[in-house]
Amino acid sequence: AQSVTQLGSHVSVSEGALVLLRCNYSSSVPPYLFWYVQYPNQGLQLLLKYTSAATLVKGINDFEAEFKKSETSFHLTKPSAHMSDAAEYFCAVTHSGAGSYQLTFGKGTKLSVIP
Amino acid sequence: ETGVTQSPTHLIKTRGQQVTLRCSSQSGHNTVSWYQQALGQGPQFIFQYYREEENGRGNFPPRFSGLQFPNYSSELNVNALELDDSALYLCASRSRQGETETQYFGPGTRLLVL
Repeated sequence: AQSVTQLGSHVSVSEGALVLLRCNYSSSVPPYLFWYVQYPNQGLQLLLKYTSAATLVKGINDFEAEFKKSETSFHLTKPSAHMSDAAEYFCAVTHSGAGSYQLTFGKGTKLSVIP
Repeated sequence: ETGVTQSPTHLIKTRGQQVTLRCSSQSGHNTVSWYQQALGQGPQFIFQYYREEENGRGNFPPRFSGLQFPNYSSELNVNALELDDSALYLCASRSRQGETETQYFGPGTRLLVL
């Protein structure tokens, strides 16, 4: 079984401040991990993914995440928040043994950016 | 743009009715999955189709069914609609070559059951 916990359903940051969104996962086998972003009334856009290569993963729009096996974490960061980053962010896990690569998502973190 | 399209964008049905949602996958992606996203929740896996057959299913009852066609399009059918079926329904496609683990999502269909 696999699961994802996103700490904080709502995070507020000032424009230009560091963004940190937390994700912890549970998986009995080596995981693949993803961060997706969802803007209002839209689908999910892939931000970045970890697939057992480099533990520090860079994505679009200056987002990055670090896979830490010892902490079972995959936190998402961005050095400087922009107003356009306001959206909901979902962490998801799957693994190669899942057959269908079905994704298990966290409940999401809504990011607000204060001007 | 992910190359995945869905129709319709919004839909209103009444309890007990049946609904069909449609998805067109990204070209070359022969695997499609469907997810249900209730308000304020993360998406939940419904099922996946590969080569027109279901090959993975989440914790959803049989009244949720699907079809996949050779032209990379697919359908999600829900019978005997219940109020709790109100949600955003997302389809996602992936390839069996290259980045096989990565799913690309469409914009979703928002279903309201009254």
